[in-house]
Amino acid sequence: DAGVIQSPRHEVTEMGQEVTLRCKPISGHDYLFWYRQTMMRGLELLIYFNNNVPIDDSGMPEDRFSAKMPNASFSTLKIQPSEPRDSAVYFCASSANHFVGTDTQYFGPGTRLTVL
Amino acid sequence: KQEVTQIPAALSVPEGENLVLNCSFTDSAIYNLQWFRQDPGKGLTSLLLIQSSQREQTSGRLNASLDKSSGRSTLYIAASQPGDSATYLCAVKGGGSTLGRLYFGRGTQLTVWP
Repeated sequence: DAGVIQSPRHEVTEMGQEVTLRCKPISGHDYLFWYRQTMMRGLELLIYFNNNVPIDDSGMPEDRFSAKMPNASFSTLKIQPSEPRDSAVYFCASSANHFVGTDTQYFGPGTRLTVL
Repeated sequence: KQEVTQIPAALSVPEGENLVLNCSFTDSAIYNLQWFRQDPGKGLTSLLLIQSSQREQTSGRLNASLDKSSGRSTLYIAASQPGDSATYLCAVKGGGSTLGRLYFGRGTQLTVWP
């Protein structure tokens, strides 16, 4: 398997623009996670899905952020409108069975977002 | 809310040294604890996972211990090598009311020089 795939790897945009980040999880994994990493706050969970259904979105910072998972092989994280404070590295991860004690998450390479 | 702290924040050592990285967490009701490695510009790679009922796990030169009652974990790296240079993150998977959420520490940035 190719692992978790994220696109784009780098995104530079201007304040107010819409940004869409994409993720393809590992085939067969039922759980998908979106994280954000910044120097100030470290790595934070934004939202996670189980079988394409959002389970916990309490980490989504505000209404400007939305995430969807239309099918088992694709998810998007959208920011509209974007602001400079959204600049961060956004990671997608997937796992086979999140509530099995030995389960681990596999991370994608991340998308580095810069909002000017 | 679960708080995860890692000490030290950065560490620079010569090759061959044995190292100890520390992780502490505030809520002992955890599902498991993991140590991850992050290389610059890349995602995280899981190194070791300790279930809440376990005390330690070993993989090659790495050994991780867990003392759930005191809220502590250590990652021991034996005979360090330049290729071990990376950021090491500790993460706890919440139990109880926070079941399923992963909480990460800020990491320890390790540099091993030849």
